[in-house]
Amino acid sequence: EIVLTQSPGTLSLSPGERATLSCRASQSVNSNYLAWYQQKPGQTPRLLIYGASTRATGIPDRFSGSGSGADFTLTIGRLEPEDFAVYYCQQYGSSPITFGQGTRLEIK
Amino acid sequence: QVQLLESGPGVVKPSGTLSLTCAVSGASISNTNWWTWVRQPPGKGLEWIGEVYHSGLTNYNPSLKSRVTISVDRSKNQFSVRLNSLTAADTAVYYCATYSPGAGVAHKYWGRGTLVTVSS
Repeated sequence: EIVLTQSPGTLSLSPGERATLSCRASQSVNSNYLAWYQQKPGQTPRLLIYGASTRATGIPDRFSGSGSGADFTLTIGRLEPEDFAVYYCQQYGSSPITFGQGTRLEIK
Repeated sequence: QVQLLESGPGVVKPSGTLSLTCAVSGASISNTNWWTWVRQPPGKGLEWIGEVYHSGLTNYNPSLKSRVTISVDRSKNQFSVRLNSLTAADTAVYYCATYSPGAGVAHKYWGRGTLVTVSS
């Protein structure tokens, strides 16, 4: 089973700042099948990035994913008020599918 | 646009069995997608339960494998999960979702989720 470790646990930033979230896997992720999700309170997870770097349909270009192998990053270029939420990474390249524990992005 | 809708009881007794169904619209359950169950305990993170393909092939989370069964009903275009020997730790919002590993796409479509509380 691939364990995903996200850091930091909580990130405190102001609107307009740049956010960098990390996701490290315990082993290489097959085919770089690494996704990022955003979840707001009481809402369903929303797919942001898949295949490590491809934005899902309708996702603003301030969201970008990078990385390969076992080290991945989600960058939010310029934070908007609606971006403050919890972010999860997920590997879907091998079974069992696993999620990171989440990074909470909060307003400073 | 694929739509998923979970249904099932909101309260289940300890040691009992949880049974949920996910109705699929906007797509055939017999396409190349895998059909997934994910859960989220209150205030906690996401946990993958398992998945099923239209052929009936399944994959399960090893931590739940002894208690879970996921099945597909192609005639009704829906899939289901059963989880037995319930404890309070199984209290969670249960989501159904779908993804297309063949196309490299992760879980783009999710149901709204249904809260299941294990309580006597």
